[in-house]
Amino acid sequence: GQQVMQIPQYQHVQEGEDFTTYCNSSTTLSNIQWYKQRPGGHPVFLIQLVKSGEVKKQKRLTFQFGEAKKNSSLHITATQTTDVGTYFCAGDSGGSNYKLTFGKGTLLTVNP
Amino acid sequence: DVKVTQSSRYLVKRTGEKVFLECVQDMDHENMFWYRQDPGLGLRLIYFSYDVKMKEKGDIPEGYSVSREKKERFSLILESASTNQTSMYLCASSLFRSPNYGYTFGSGTRLTVV
Repeated sequence: GQQVMQIPQYQHVQEGEDFTTYCNSSTTLSNIQWYKQRPGGHPVFLIQLVKSGEVKKQKRLTFQFGEAKKNSSLHITATQTTDVGTYFCAGDSGGSNYKLTFGKGTLLTVNP
Repeated sequence: DVKVTQSSRYLVKRTGEKVFLECVQDMDHENMFWYRQDPGLGLRLIYFSYDVKMKEKGDIPEGYSVSREKKERFSLILESASTNQTSMYLCASSLFRSPNYGYTFGSGTRLTVV
């Protein structure tokens, strides 16, 4: 079945440093989504990428979808303590059922 | 805002008990999902449903069943709870592939089986 690999598993940064998490799918995706889960919370939808090579920005967050639609990245510029949490990518392979396959997530901690 | 409500935040059950986890969404979403979340294993799909009375197995359905008698409600059933089912259970709902919305998750039920 479809697999979505995400690296790194953990990342600790100093406040103000940049952060990137990478996501790779074993199959071509229809779209990819990103979620954030704060400690003790539940995953919250951030964004969806659909087009090959697509780049979207949300303030300090930049999301990219690869040309082959099999990989994606999330980059945070100048991290803040409010960025702490686990970031998940989730791939949709298309088809009649809308079912996402989640990566295992990257836990980001930020030292103030 | 879409709201997904899970009936219990914390639950403690004994081995062998039948356990019901309830999930209700208020935005007329077609799709509903049950995941379990364990440290180091991420989110694993147990069952999902794309319509009333319809259900599909996810990646780890063994030991679980589901019920969707009404569009807004999706129940997860542990037929005979075991200690390896101790986990955080997350319910989610969604429209069918809306470009601007993904899954909306409930706050989760932390189940401990003793």
